[in-house]
Amino acid sequence: DQQVKQNSPSLSVQEGRISILNCDYTNSMFDYFLWYKKYPAEGPTFLISISSIKDKNEDGRFTVFLNKSAKHLSLHIVPSQPGDSAVYFCAASAFGNEKLTFGTGTRLTIIP
Amino acid sequence: NAGVTQTPKFQVLKTGQSMTLQCAQDMNHNSMYWYRQDPGMGLRLIYYSASEGTTDKGEVPNGYNVSRLNKREFSLRLESAAPSQTSVYFCASSEERGQGWSTDTQYFGPGTRLTVL
Repeated sequence: DQQVKQNSPSLSVQEGRISILNCDYTNSMFDYFLWYKKYPAEGPTFLISISSIKDKNEDGRFTVFLNKSAKHLSLHIVPSQPGDSAVYFCAASAFGNEKLTFGTGTRLTIIP
Repeated sequence: NAGVTQTPKFQVLKTGQSMTLQCAQDMNHNSMYWYRQDPGMGLRLIYYSASEGTTDKGEVPNGYNVSRLNKREFSLRLESAAPSQTSVYFCASSEERGQGWSTDTQYFGPGTRLTVL
């Protein structure tokens, strides 16, 4: 049972445009959500997070939106840059449980 | 400050051989984790350790054992490797979750690429 789903395995976006990566979850106990970025041959690195008391969190070019009623979150990257080409993982956790549940990842390719 | 380090970076084993993957962190984190990453499967938790001296199974623990040697080190052992254990293995550590809305940010090592023939 995949509790965190990223239904788009890949996404291509023109440089300078907006990239939108989506993530859905099924477990209503999740209260903290994170996005990780992974380059080939490297470990994932933390990008941005959001708690369930918020519906939006921004950090520079990156914004995460959370829609609790739809159990959906999205990562917006504006403007997209070639260095953003990577695999992006969505992850979630529940209060009192340190474990993260990861999605399957979306490979983002920024086209120059 | 090296963060999370893993050794080795690459390893090729024959079916039935054993090996230990090493992980160490220098961030004074209490919690440590072992994941495997397979194509189309994302990151799946094998084992984790919430503190020194404790370990718990994750989503895919079969065929693996772990040891939390001390606060810094968390090793993963394959007693009898199988081709199904061919994967990339990541170790991670995280800050202790406190009261309220403290983060669960996990910091990952560079990974070990394991091939079992």
